[in-house]
Amino acid sequence: EPEVTQTPSHQVTQMGQEVILRCVPISNHLYFYWYRQILGQKVEFLVSFYNNEISEKSEIFDDQFSVERPDGSNFTLKIRSTKLEDSAMYFCASRAPAGGQDEQFFGPGTRLTVL
Amino acid sequence: GEDVEQSLFLSVREGDSSVINCTYTDSSSTYLYWYKQEPGAGLQLLTYIFSNMDMKQDQRLTVLLNKKDKHLSLRIADTQTGDSAIYFCAEYTGGFKTIFGAGTRLFVKA
Repeated sequence: EPEVTQTPSHQVTQMGQEVILRCVPISNHLYFYWYRQILGQKVEFLVSFYNNEISEKSEIFDDQFSVERPDGSNFTLKIRSTKLEDSAMYFCASRAPAGGQDEQFFGPGTRLTVL
Repeated sequence: GEDVEQSLFLSVREGDSSVINCTYTDSSSTYLYWYKQEPGAGLQLLTYIFSNMDMKQDQRLTVLLNKKDKHLSLRIADTQTGDSAIYFCAEYTGGFKTIFGAGTRLFVKA
């Protein structure tokens, strides 16, 4: 069964460093998403991406964040200068085009720890 | 604005039924989901219901939707210790995002 994969499963970084979280969505999906879950809190929407551009972003997704689909298979989330409060589980999700099965498939998550 | 509310905790005895409740605000929701999250793990889609349905049954899981009251519930029959987890209610409006509730932590006592 096709699935969304994410790497790494756990990333530890120093405050101020840049991190790139990687996702490989399901191959025929066209809509891509990043969500964040701070430990013990709810899953929060960060950004959605379609047709090589951001469709919607939340107020969490400030200038420190960027997304990219560099090669047609990967979907990345970059945090330019990490802060302690960026420590969270980051989930990637993808969705098929309209007319297909209209549900988001989530990856297993990357746990980001900022020291 | 869009919001999804859930109670935070539920404790049941093994073998009993669990009912987890959720309310949502966006009447244009097209899909309503239940996700399960075990400690340190990702999100597992348990089941979902289209907004034009009242009920969906899938083995031990029953989802009830009251669209008028914007109320969704998940019933787990014959709850087992392996069902202990956090259960997230979520709504998808057909736009570009899913809105999650804060999650209900289910404790199953042996």
